Amino acid sequence: DAGVIQSPRHEVTEMGQEVTLRCKPISGHDYLFWYRQTMMRGLELLIYFNNNVPIDDSGMPEDRFSAKMPNASFSTLKIQPSEPRDSAVYFCASSSRGAQGAKNIQYFGAGTRLSVL
Amino acid sequence: AQRVTQPEKLLSVFKGAPVELKCNYSYSGSPELFWYVQYSRQRLQLLLRHISRESIKGFTADLNKGETSFHLKKPFAQEEDSAMYYCALRSYNTDKLIFGTGTRLQVFP
Repeated sequence: DAGVIQSPRHEVTEMGQEVTLRCKPISGHDYLFWYRQTMMRGLELLIYFNNNVPIDDSGMPEDRFSAKMPNASFSTLKIQPSEPRDSAVYFCASSSRGAQGAKNIQYFGAGTRLSVL
Repeated sequence: AQRVTQPEKLLSVFKGAPVELKCNYSYSGSPELFWYVQYSRQRLQLLLRHISRESIKGFTADLNKGETSFHLKKPFAQEEDSAMYYCALRSYNTDKLIFGTGTRLQVFP
């Protein structure tokens, strides 16, 4: 498996533009997580899904952010309109449950570096 | 509230010196604790988790419930250990990870 795949790797956009980040989880994983990494705040969970359903979106900063998971192999994180303070690295991660529901570790994608000018 | 604290943003040591990256947590139950590492231009990857009680790349971490700590240790640092290290917590009733702000380890030759 190629692991968690994120695209694009880098995104530069102007303030006010819509930005869409994409993630393909590891095949067979039914949990998907979106994180944001900044120098000041480190890694913060934005939202996570189980079986394509959002479970916890308490980390989503504001209404400008939205995330979807239309199927088990694809998720998007959208920012509309984007602002300079959204500049960060956005990571996607996926995981699964093991025997008897044991929680497995999360595997991370390479991240998308977003710069909003 | 659940929280993970890594008090040091940067830790610099010379090759061969002992290393201890501090991690303290606040959680009322029994947490799962992890150390993730991010090498330059690479993705975040799991280094070790407390339930495994294993040593990875010479690193160990012991969960101290009395002190609510999960410090990462290595007796002799190597240059290739230079990276960003994140401590993370997962509670029993959720699948999400709560990360500390990270510590950058620099190992000089």
